[in-house]
Amino acid sequence: RKEVEQDPGPFNVPEGATVAFNCTYSNSASQSFFWYRQDCRKEPKLLMSVYSSGNEDGRFTAQLNRASQYISLLIRVSKLCDSATYLCVVNPPDSSYKLIFGSGTRLLVRP
Amino acid sequence: EPEVTQTPSHQVTQMGQEVILRCVPISNHLYFYWYRQILGQKVEFLVSFYNNEISEKSEIFDDQFSVERPDGSNFTLKIRSTKLEDSAMYFCASSPGTGGRNEQFFGPGTRLTVL
Repeated sequence: RKEVEQDPGPFNVPEGATVAFNCTYSNSASQSFFWYRQDCRKEPKLLMSVYSSGNEDGRFTAQLNRASQYISLLIRVSKLCDSATYLCVVNPPDSSYKLIFGSGTRLLVRP
Repeated sequence: EPEVTQTPSHQVTQMGQEVILRCVPISNHLYFYWYRQILGQKVEFLVSFYNNEISEKSEIFDDQFSVERPDGSNFTLKIRSTKLEDSAMYFCASSPGTGGRNEQFFGPGTRLTVL
């Protein structure tokens, strides 16, 4: 099983739609989780950390399900500028430093 | 807003040559990292650096690679004898190192092309 697994997509949605991505991780003892966004040929940009209780930042909501070892990202009222690749990222329990990246889920928001 | 910067943005080199990639982390951050991303693949951890020494490295980070913080602001990655398979985007990142969460902020990257 891959350490971090994501559906590669692409998810093709109309502007204004709600879209959700899931990600699964293999190590149940992992402690820190993040969603990053990456535009084509650009650096990963931190979108949000994922907290155990779930957290929201504007149109973005992240949830963590430890029992099932998955993380989700919900984007409401999607905009054209949300088109990007969304990276699920995990800090494994055996390391304080490294981040393990998923391969990303590509989102295309159309007019 | 403070950000990580990297130079050069693009480096072309011949196989077997040495390259040095440069990064200026965010000024009050304590932890520094290098990652790479081969075209079409996922981002991979190379090395982390804290208190002037390597704190962790991956299997990719072999004897051909080294890192250094030569002064109070720069953080460099050196590849001694480049191979074709070293062609990738190299990202530097930094994190505050406090507060219990490892939120890392990435620079714009250096695209390394080995011919």
